[in-house]
Amino acid sequence: DAGVIQSPRHEVTEMGQEVTLRCKPISGHDYLFWYRQTMMRGLELLIYFNNNVPIDDSGMPEDRFSAKMPNASFSTLKIQPSEPRDSAVYFCASSLPPATDTQYFGPGTRLTVL
Amino acid sequence: QKEVEQDPGPLSVPEGAIVSLNCTYSNSAFQYFMWYRQYSRKGPELLMYTYSSGNKEDGRFTAQVDKSSKYISLFIRDSQPSDSATYLCATSLQAAGNKLTFGGGTRVLVKP
Repeated sequence: DAGVIQSPRHEVTEMGQEVTLRCKPISGHDYLFWYRQTMMRGLELLIYFNNNVPIDDSGMPEDRFSAKMPNASFSTLKIQPSEPRDSAVYFCASSLPPATDTQYFGPGTRLTVL
Repeated sequence: QKEVEQDPGPLSVPEGAIVSLNCTYSNSAFQYFMWYRQYSRKGPELLMYTYSSGNKEDGRFTAQVDKSSKYISLFIRDSQPSDSATYLCATSLQAAGNKLTFGGGTRVLVKP
């Protein structure tokens, strides 16, 4: 398996622009997680899905952030409008049902908002 | 106060030394404890996983959990330069499917 795939790997945009990050989980994994990592706040869970349904979005910082999972093999995280403080590395992770605790992380998308 | 606290380091050790890492947490309801390793510009990868108190050993790595003290430790024996990475502890209330709460990570440098 190719692992969790994220695109783009790097994104540079200007304040106010819409940003869409994409994730393809490992085939067969029922859980999908979106994280954000910064030096100041570390690795924070933003939202997670189970069987394409959002379960907990309490980590989403504000209404500018939205996430969707239209099918089992694709998810998006959208920021609209983007702000400089959104600059971070965004990770997507997936895992199997509760028989295991391993979350497999993608390589991340490094977002810079100017 | 963060739910999981971890010294950011960096922790610099000579090759072959024992690396000792630790975290403290505040929520006594946490039951699952993990250590993730993150190389520079990569995603974290699971290193060790333990449930409740006790020790777990895997090769050169030993994870310890002391729930009475809310203290998590990771020991790396015979450290190698390839162990240079950031190590993040994580906790959760239940098995996969529930959210992980991460410590801030400790950067480790193993010098040849």
